[in-house]
Amino acid sequence: KAGVTQTPRYLIKTRGQQVTLSCSPISGHRSVSWYQQTPGQGLQFLFEYFSETQRNKGNFPGRFSGRQFSNSRSEMNVSTLELGDSALYLCASSLAREGAETGELFFGEGSRLTVL
Amino acid sequence: GNSVTQMEGPVTLSEEAFLTINCTYTATGYPSLFWYVQYPGEGLQLLLKATKADDKGSNKGFEATYRKETTSFHLEKGSVQVSDSAVYFCVSMDSNYQLIWGAGTKLIIKP
Repeated sequence: KAGVTQTPRYLIKTRGQQVTLSCSPISGHRSVSWYQQTPGQGLQFLFEYFSETQRNKGNFPGRFSGRQFSNSRSEMNVSTLELGDSALYLCASSLAREGAETGELFFGEGSRLTVL
Repeated sequence: GNSVTQMEGPVTLSEEAFLTINCTYTATGYPSLFWYVQYPGEGLQLLLKATKADDKGSNKGFEATYRKETTSFHLEKGSVQVSDSAVYFCVSMDSNYQLIWGAGTKLIIKP
């Protein structure tokens, strides 16, 4: 069974640009969550999608957005990049059901974004 | 709001030493609790979990017991190995199914 796949694995952008990251969950998983990981702030929750609907949202500015497609694949977008957006962006999928969640997340290896 | 507090790292131990990584939580009700581990160069993965008071989660020689009296979920292992070197995260799940993450504790095991 294939794991969670994130693309691209590494990317470099400059301030002001925008970036789109992609995540393919484990087959059959309908929930996809996104996290930002930095040495200073640790792991910060961005948002979670379930069946194409955003179910939970973290405390990030509107420059951070996401969506989920009917096949459960998800993308997140960061517009007007800032130096502080440099981080490892992690995607996780889970076998959540409507109105329920096991808390058992399966993570991808992440997309490492560097903003210059 | 809900929160998770875990001991700051890095924690440095010698091989075969006893490990405890402390974790306490604040929450309304009784959240499910988890330990996740991030090995160097690998993705985060679930290590163990407990869903109700007095439950003991265990995996790979690690254990953690859900203590509602002390609102704690400390991670323990009797004899650590170099391969246990990783970052360990204590996590709770709130009533909206959102995961609340601790800051992570880096564990370094020296041979």
